[in-house]
Amino acid sequence: AQSVTQLDSQVPVFEEAPVELRCNYSSSVSVYLFWYVQYPNQGLQLLLKYLSGSTLVKGINGFEAEFNKSQTSFHLRKPSVHISDTAEYFCAAWSYNQGGKLIFGQGTELSVKP
Amino acid sequence: DAGVIQSPRHEVTEMGQEVTLRCKPISGHDYLFWYRQTMMRGLELLIYFNNNVPIDDSGMPEDRFSAKMPNASFSTLKIQPSEPRDSAVYFCASSFVDIPSGGYTFGSGTRLTVV
Repeated sequence: AQSVTQLDSQVPVFEEAPVELRCNYSSSVSVYLFWYVQYPNQGLQLLLKYLSGSTLVKGINGFEAEFNKSQTSFHLRKPSVHISDTAEYFCAAWSYNQGGKLIFGQGTELSVKP
Repeated sequence: DAGVIQSPRHEVTEMGQEVTLRCKPISGHDYLFWYRQTMMRGLELLIYFNNNVPIDDSGMPEDRFSAKMPNASFSTLKIQPSEPRDSAVYFCASSFVDIPSGGYTFGSGTRLTVV
């Protein structure tokens, strides 16, 4: 079965430092990949998505992610974080062989400190 | 568009009581999803509908849970009887195609506490 693994449950970082949130997926077929952000007491908001084409995708708020098929990874990066980026980030995968379900990772809590 | 609207935002109920969570999807979206979020299990898909018809309910934890979508603009998730282990945040999401090329749009969630 398809699974999504986020390798870090918590990532503390100082403001203006770069950050990488790691995500690996398991799928032997074509897969669509997503990153969502959840601010406290809010729903999930789409940050970016990979459907096909260029493996480097850019999203909102200065985030980007790179699809690496050989490593089955889709890591999220930002070159310089702000306090306002403090939130929980979810990686998700969708493929035809999962019956149309979007499968989420466990989430990574990003904490940006001044 | 006001987005996906869920009500109530918070619900506190006693064990054994019936709980009904409500969701209004975005107009024109014909897929609706119910997710549950807990610390232990993360985000779990409970059930989803296409054109008001339940397609996959394999994530519904047990018979105490039921979901309906009587029309394109309204869905309910009911727990009867509720138990403390049902405490979680329940999210509703909608999309207009099954391949989520646009991503799912999530509501703000209902935080359920069963005491």
